[in-house]
Amino acid sequence: GAVVSQHPSRVICKSGTSVKIECRSLDFQATTMFWYRQFPKQSLMLMATSNEGSKATYEQGVEKDKFLINHASLTLSTLTVTSAHPEDSSFYICSARITEETQYFGPGTRLLVL
Amino acid sequence: GQNIDQPTEMTATEGAIVQINCTYQTSGFNGLFWYQQHAGEAPTFLSYNVLDGLEEKGRFSSFLSRSKGYSYLLLKELQMKDSASYLCAVLDSNYQLIWGAGTKLIIKP
Repeated sequence: GAVVSQHPSRVICKSGTSVKIECRSLDFQATTMFWYRQFPKQSLMLMATSNEGSKATYEQGVEKDKFLINHASLTLSTLTVTSAHPEDSSFYICSARITEETQYFGPGTRLLVL
Repeated sequence: GQNIDQPTEMTATEGAIVQINCTYQTSGFNGLFWYQQHAGEAPTFLSYNVLDGLEEKGRFSSFLSRSKGYSYLLLKELQMKDSASYLCAVLDSNYQLIWGAGTKLIIKP
């Protein structure tokens, strides 16, 4: 199957700093990528839909100025958590859409904000 | 609103069979997915149903009834490594995945 990578796999940062997470589709081009957040023992929550060459579409309740998404190429989308706070600590997962019905998930990035 | 229901937790014995149910109410339907997620890892794809009926893939089978808004994932010959969360997700009319909360499956020897 198709491969999606995420970097870093885990990151620890101080409160108030910004963290950038990269999501890459390694062997296919993805015009659409999704960013999810998952808190412990909860399901995935869609944060935003990232479209190559255009602005991301954010889900209700997700602050677009706090979670900056850039989809500059067909194989790379980045999520930047700005001015991170402890409540932003979570598991962030990206996925890349290859067809309407099929998306492949990255391995996830575990963020811990101290 | 959109809603997907699945049991929070189930327990089964190694070597046995377990069925995890999922009911859904969504705006439109373009298929139902089952994913397996081990703790601390991203979900991995198990199955996709868009037509009614049973799809069998090795030890795992998935069933769909669109008229009833119902699906189940059947796991046979359970192994300890099957201990994980199983997520039901529906692709709605906008081709967005709507996720259930997941069912934590505990396998006992």
